[in-house]
Amino acid sequence: KQEVTQIPAALSVPEGENLVLNCSFTDSAIYNLQWFRQDPGKGLTSLLLIQSSQREQTSGRLNASLDKSSGRSTLYIAASQPGDSATYLCAVRPGPANFGNEKLTFGTGTRLTIIP
Amino acid sequence: NAGVTQTPKFQVLKTGQSMTLQCAQDMNHEYMSWYRQDPGMGLRLIHYSVGAGITDQGEVPNGYNVSRSTTEDFPLRLLSAAPSQTSVYFCASSLGASEPNEQFFGPGTRLTVL
Repeated sequence: KQEVTQIPAALSVPEGENLVLNCSFTDSAIYNLQWFRQDPGKGLTSLLLIQSSQREQTSGRLNASLDKSSGRSTLYIAASQPGDSATYLCAVRPGPANFGNEKLTFGTGTRLTIIP
Repeated sequence: NAGVTQTPKFQVLKTGQSMTLQCAQDMNHEYMSWYRQDPGMGLRLIHYSVGAGITDQGEVPNGYNVSRSTTEDFPLRLLSAAPSQTSVYFCASSLGASEPNEQFFGPGTRLTVL
């Protein structure tokens, strides 16, 4: 059974710093990995999706990497801002890309606080 | 596009009552699913559907029922609510097996069962 772990559970950093969030998974037979952001009391917003054949994806100040063989992904946030404060979740989709195999397994998230 | 919409946003039930959580998407997505989110446990899959008329169980299906009569709608029914079903419920959708297969989530329904 796939297990997804995110450590640490909470992280506080001063504004302007670069930071890395970690995600690890036990079964490397994934189809893709998706990073989400969740603000308190809100739904999930998709940030980046990395296919299993890719090594990284970038969107603005965000960069996500994937090392499938070691079961790890990182989300790098450059020049952090107070507006980046939220909980960040990673989720993996199992392979192969069969119909009906779209279910995601989530980590429990890292709660990020950017200190002004 | 409205994306994925969910109603109601909040609901309080008494033990034993039944209700339906609504979910709709306007992106012509084939795959839809329901998750519940509980503190310390992350999001767990309840039921999912790969298209109209096709549904299957996820990790925690007991006490919930689903049907999918149209591509757009995927309601989740609580048959006889229990306090253990107090949670935040999220509906999600995606294109299906084809790539890219980004999943989109609704804003959630916060349910309290007394």
